[in-house]
Formats: sequence, C-alpha cells, structure tokens
Amino acid sequence: EVQLVESGGGLGRPGGSMRLSCVASGLNFNTYWMAWVRQSPGKGLEWVANIKEDGSDQFYLDSVKGRFIISRDNAKNSLHLHMSNLRVEDTALYYCASVDCAQTSCPLDHWGPGTLVTVSS
Amino acid sequence: SYVLTQPPSVSVAPGQTATMTCGGNDIGTKSVHWYQQRPGQAPLLVVYDDDDRPSGIPERFSGSNSGKTATLTISRVEAGDEAAYFCQVWETSNDHFVFGSGTTVTVL
Repeated sequence: EVQLVESGGGLGRPGGSMRLSCVASGLNFNTYWMAWVRQSPGKGLEWVANIKEDGSDQFYLDSVKGRFIISRDNAKNSLHLHMSNLRVEDTALYYCASVDCAQTSCPLDHWGPGTLVTVSS
Repeated sequence: SYVLTQPPSVSVAPGQTATMTCGGNDIGTKSVHWYQQRPGQAPLLVVYDDDDRPSGIPERFSGSNSGKTATLTISRVEAGDEAAYFCQVWETSNDHFVFGSGTTVTVL
C-alpha cells in the first residue's frame, strides 16, 4: 500500500520561511516524479511544483517561483518544499502527491493527507 | 496560462446519472485526469488519460474528451459519490499542471 505523509506545517509569518517534508512508502520512489499541490480553505486545488525522478529538473507555479524550492532525497524516500518570503496568500493545506509518468500524461496517482500552513502576522 | 472551466455544482438523485464537464481550449488534444475529493479528505484519482480507471475505481465512473470539452460521468449514483470533482491537465508548453475549479456533486 502506498503511503505519503507530510509534515512541517504550522504558523508562519509574512516574509518568513518554512520547510515541508513528505515521506513515501510502498512505491519505487526513485522512479516517480513528485509534486506539491495546495488548497486554500474552502477553495480548489492549485498545483505548486513538480520534480523529476532524479531531481534533475523542477517546475513551479509562477507565483511561487523564486520563493519556493522543491527537492528530494531518493535515499530517504523523501520530498521537501522549502518556502521562503512567505505571503498571507500561501496559507493552504499542502499535499504531497506521486506523479505516474508511466501513463500518457502523468496523473497524480497517490496523495498524502496534507499539512496545513498558515501565514499570518 | 491554460484555463479549465467547470460548473460549480451538479445535483442528482440516487440511482441516476451525474454528468459534469471540463472546458478548455482544444482540450481534446490533451489527456485529462479527474479527481474526487470527499469532504475532509485528500483527492483521489478516479479517471486518468481521459477514460481509464485506476484499479479499485468502480466502472460507474467513466470519462470522455473531445473538442473543447472533457466529461466525467457517474452512473447509478450513490450517496458516497457526493464530493467535489476536479479535472486536471499537464500543460506541456511550460510543464505546469493545471486544475479546474471543481464541481460539487450533491446527491439529493
């Protein structure tokens, strides 16, 4: 059974930093792209960032580019999101998801339960 | 940036068929995925690549995609199908993933 478990959320200040982590089990982690997706309270899903299997390439939502960094440690089956220069509008539940690029167009096939980030002064 | 348009809500009686759309420019040329999100839960992939189902997803869930509209159909709707449904594509021009705004299905 695939399990993704996020951690690291909490209360952050505008302009501050926070680091999210996700530990994966039950899948060949180093063969999967991975992604972060967020959901503001009562709102829809918003993709944040992707990273390739070997970490060689990363892609970002325009509004987080230059502020967020996605990374991974395949030896530890872990995914990270370093968030800096936080804004109030970054407040959301952040999900870690595996990306199945064995399929035609890379669906997000497994999701963690999410970790809540609140940015407020 | 690429935009996916979904109706905010759909209501359906138990046992009937729920149909929801996802509109986008030339969406028929892309592969569309659909996610179910029950209240308080993480999203769940229910249809991928327009019309395929992951293992464990009932055959009642089906998808299609042509022209400017992709469609998710739920046959013989049950109370447990009450959820928000989001469509998603991979915008290959910039390697961004794009989600629709979601459709909330209410079972009457």
